[in-house]
Parts: sequence; structure tokens; C-alpha cells
Amino acid sequence: EPEVTQTPSHQVTQMGQEVILRCVPISNHLYFYWYRQILGQKVEFLVSFYNNEISEKSEIFDDQFSVERPDGSNFTLKIRSTKLEDSAMYFCASSDPGRSPGTTQHFGDGTRLSIL
Amino acid sequence: DAKTTQPTSMDCAEGRAANLPCNHSTISGNEYVYWYRQIHSQGPQYIIHGLKNNETNEMASLIITEDRKSSTLILPHATLRDTAVYYCIVSLMRRGGKLIFGQGTELSVKP
Repeated sequence: EPEVTQTPSHQVTQMGQEVILRCVPISNHLYFYWYRQILGQKVEFLVSFYNNEISEKSEIFDDQFSVERPDGSNFTLKIRSTKLEDSAMYFCASSDPGRSPGTTQHFGDGTRLSIL
Repeated sequence: DAKTTQPTSMDCAEGRAANLPCNHSTISGNEYVYWYRQIHSQGPQYIIHGLKNNETNEMASLIITEDRKSSTLILPHATLRDTAVYYCIVSLMRRGGKLIFGQGTELSVKP
């Protein structure tokens, strides 16, 4: 079964540094998402992306965050100047509009981001 | 999106049916009920969804009450690998729609 893959599985970064989290969505999917989960807390929506632009973003997704689909296979989340509170598990998801329209999302296993 | 209420935790014996309840009394007519689960250290996994009819797939069954104010996810023969946090999410079925996760029910399947 096709999978969403995320790299790296664990990223350790110094506070204030830029970090890029990478995702390869399922190949025929057209909607892409980022969520995060702070340790012990709920999974939180960050942003959705379709047709090379942001469809929706949450209050968490401020100017420090950006997303990009640099080519036909990758989907990235960039945090420009990381803060301690950005430490979390970041999940990428994708969905196939040809089936249930949008909300049956397939998730990767996440990147654990640790800010020191 | 409508709010959901789930028990914080439940236990189930291996091989028995696990019945996970969810209340969504403010659900609107065009909102669907979705169930996802999150096994420790993994991403959320889609299980099943429905609007008003009961649904069944290879993973589970979904029973939605006639007034749609509550639902039950049934894992017919729970295994140890079903130990996970189960999320009931109510959402409009729209393209690119976000999922709003609550705290979910932590299901422990015991031998």
C-alpha cells in the first residue's frame, strides 16, 4: 500500500536555526497537510496546501513557517528561526480528491523535532 | 466543526469486541463522523467514516444512532496491535478540509 514518507525521523537543531522537514506524499494525491503534536498533547492542524498554494492555515502557522512543493514529489515545511516551543512531532499527510473528497487523509510517521 | 466527547481510556480483552463510544450532540446535517487511531510513535491512521448509515470495512464497524448525536466504533476481535489512541472527529466532507483532533480514547487491549 502506498505510504507517506517523512525525513528525517529525528531532527535536532539549535534555537534560532532554520530547519526544513521533508515529506513525500502519496504519488497521485493532490492535497497536502502538516500537523504537529507536542509531547503529551493533541494533534494540531498547521496548514493545508493545494494547487501550489496554501488552502488554509491555523494560528500556529505564523510568519516563521512556510511550505513548498519544490518538485513533483516533495512537500516541505520550513521553520525559519526555531524556538524551544517548536519542539514537537511533525506529521505530513496527503489526500486523494478522486475518492472521498479530501478528508480521508493518509499520514506519515512524523519527524521528531528537538530544539536545544 | 462539531465538538466530540470520548472516554479518556478503556480496556478490552484480547479477542473480544472493543466498543468505543463518541458523543457529538451538536453535529450538523452535512457533517460526517470519522475515526482515526494513533498507535504509539506513529502517525494517525484512518479507520472508517460515515454520515448516517452504519458502515463496515476490513478494520472496523461504525454504528451511528438515528439522531446522529452519538456513534460507536466496533473492533470485532481486538488484538494487542489495536492498542492505540482512537479519535472520533466530526467534519464536513470538503476537499482539503482539516482534521480537528481531540484527546481521544486510549484503548488498551490486554492478553
